[in-house]
Amino acid sequence: DARVTQTPRDKVTEMGQEVTMRCQPILGHNTVFWYRQTMMQGLELLAYFRNRAPLDDSGMPKDRFSAEMPDATLATLKIQPSEPRDSAVYFCASALVEGGARIKQFFGPGTRLTVL
Amino acid sequence: GENVEQHPSTLSVQEGDSAVIKCTYSDSASNYFPWYKQELGKGPQLIIDIRSNVGEKKDQRIAVTLNKTAKHFSLHITETQPEDSAVYFCAASRGGGATNKLIFGTGTLLAVQP
Repeated sequence: DARVTQTPRDKVTEMGQEVTMRCQPILGHNTVFWYRQTMMQGLELLAYFRNRAPLDDSGMPKDRFSAEMPDATLATLKIQPSEPRDSAVYFCASALVEGGARIKQFFGPGTRLTVL
Repeated sequence: GENVEQHPSTLSVQEGDSAVIKCTYSDSASNYFPWYKQELGKGPQLIIDIRSNVGEKKDQRIAVTLNKTAKHFSLHITETQPEDSAVYFCAASRGGGATNKLIFGTGTLLAVQP
């Protein structure tokens, strides 16, 4: 049963520390999305990649957030330095995009980040 | 910019009753409309989707309807069961090419009372 995996599942850190979240997309999927979920803002798209190349990161605060795909099996989201307002659940999703309109995104279980 | 509005924010029904969740979208170029179910502590899961060339789609107890003219779409759950209790999100996307972003609604917390 193919699924998206994310690590860590929970992270508690102090303000100013670097945080790295990892995602393993479903094997064969060529598009990876990073979302942030909070009670106030709901599900926000931070960035997404196609074939490891960044397509859109307009939702991401550029000064402290960075997203990369070192290879097809790993996507990372880093926050440096972290701030209390970054506390949220971060989801990774992957999809196989082949030009059609029907893009099924499969979500991972999320990383719950708490910045003290 | 693109926007998806979702109503109601909370919905409580008795087991066996039907539940309806409605969404409206602003981008007339949107052509793909998925619905996701999110259970506590889990990521959203796709439960049904519809493309703009179809007016209605059904999968067992779940159905989605789309009115392109009015730019709204709805999720219908019949014969609700306690395990249907979750947060439901609608979304809209233009699809195709490089623009595959999903714009999500704000979610509906569905509680099915046994």
